[in-house]
Amino acid sequence: GQQVMQIPQYQHVQEGEDFTTYCNSSTTLSNIQWYKQRPGGHPVFLIQLVKSGEVKKQKRLTFQFGEAKKNSSLHITATQTTDVGTYFCAGSDLYSGAGSYQLTFGKGTKLSVIP
Amino acid sequence: NAGVTQTPKFQVLKTGQSMTLQCAQDMNHEYMSWYRQDPGMGLRLIHYSVGAGITDQGEVPNGYNVSRSTTEDFPLRLLSAAPSQTSVYFCASSLLIGGAGNTIYFGEGSWLTVV
Repeated sequence: GQQVMQIPQYQHVQEGEDFTTYCNSSTTLSNIQWYKQRPGGHPVFLIQLVKSGEVKKQKRLTFQFGEAKKNSSLHITATQTTDVGTYFCAGSDLYSGAGSYQLTFGKGTKLSVIP
Repeated sequence: NAGVTQTPKFQVLKTGQSMTLQCAQDMNHEYMSWYRQDPGMGLRLIHYSVGAGITDQGEVPNGYNVSRSTTEDFPLRLLSAAPSQTSVYFCASSLLIGGAGNTIYFGEGSWLTVV
């Protein structure tokens, strides 16, 4: 079945440093989504990427979808303490018979920001 | 608009007991699902439903039952609780849209401890 690998598992950064998490799928994706989960909270949708090579920005966050639609990245510029949490990618298999509504989640990258 | 509502938020069970985690959404979403989240394991799909009367198994269905008698409600039943079912459980819902994929809305989570 489809596997979504996410690295690193943990990342500790000094406040103001940049942060990147990477997501790789074993299969071609129809789309990829990113979620953020604050400590003790629930995952919250950040963004969805659909097109090959797509790049989207949300303030200090930059999301990329690979040309082959098998990988993605989330980059945070100049991290702040409010960025603390776990970031998950989730992808839908392009060729899945179950349809595009079924998402496979990566295991997440837990970001700690040292003030 | 309440979104996805889960109850209870916290529960302690003894091994062998049964219980039901309740989930309701008021967004008229067709797709509902249950995930469990364990440290280092990410979000794993237990069961899902694409509409009233239709349910299917996810990645880790053993020990759990679901039903979907209405569009709004999707309860998760633990038949005979085991310590391995100690976890955080998230109910989630989304629209069923082919093609681009769907944003998943998560409930706030239910922390379950089985002793």
